[in-house]
Amino acid sequence: QKEVEQDPGPLSVPEGAIVSLNCTYSNSAFQYFMWYRQYSRKGPELLMYTYSSGNKEDGRFTAQVDKSSKYISLFIRDSQPSDSATYLCAMNPGGYQKVTFGTGTKLQVIP
Amino acid sequence: GAVVSQHPSRVICKSGTSVKIECRSLDFQATTMFWYRQFPKQSLMLMATSNEGSKATYEQGVEKDKFLINHASLTLSTLTVTSAHPEDSSFYICSAVEGAGASNEQFFGPGTRLTVL
Repeated sequence: QKEVEQDPGPLSVPEGAIVSLNCTYSNSAFQYFMWYRQYSRKGPELLMYTYSSGNKEDGRFTAQVDKSSKYISLFIRDSQPSDSATYLCAMNPGGYQKVTFGTGTKLQVIP
Repeated sequence: GAVVSQHPSRVICKSGTSVKIECRSLDFQATTMFWYRQFPKQSLMLMATSNEGSKATYEQGVEKDKFLINHASLTLSTLTVTSAHPEDSSFYICSAVEGAGASNEQFFGPGTRLTVL
């Protein structure tokens, strides 16, 4: 079993839809949870960075962490074609420790 | 925000040659940097952890004699792929942590695409 599981997709949605991206994990030591967006042939770009359980909102993006269920989510409201990318969940026990990534979910927002 | 650069952004080399990739933290000091590799349609896999002034820590299955890492200063880490072969063709990405606190996030470079002919 992988430490972090993420549905690779692809996920296709119409413009304006609410997108839900999810990851599960098995390592209870993970304390910091991140979502990265990666465009083709580019490095990952940090979208959200959260600590422990709870919700965090930033514009159209909302990250949720449920440590009791070992489940994290990223919601994108009013999705735009420019949101089309691969979204990677990532987590680690602390900032100076290695980050474990999910496989990424490819999202396509259709105009 | 903190910026991490990588050079070169892409490199093509012949099989058997060595290639050096630089990772720099531009506006902060990074005691720890990480090197990742990403094959097409796969996620990032950690290769090694680079600490300034000490030897790198390699993940299981990564040949330390093939992938030489030098973290000579608080703003620069280098990855040298020695005697490169076509199977080493990949996207190499570094990240850097500002400071040493547990809550400090990692900042990623834009990546280097290596193609070995």
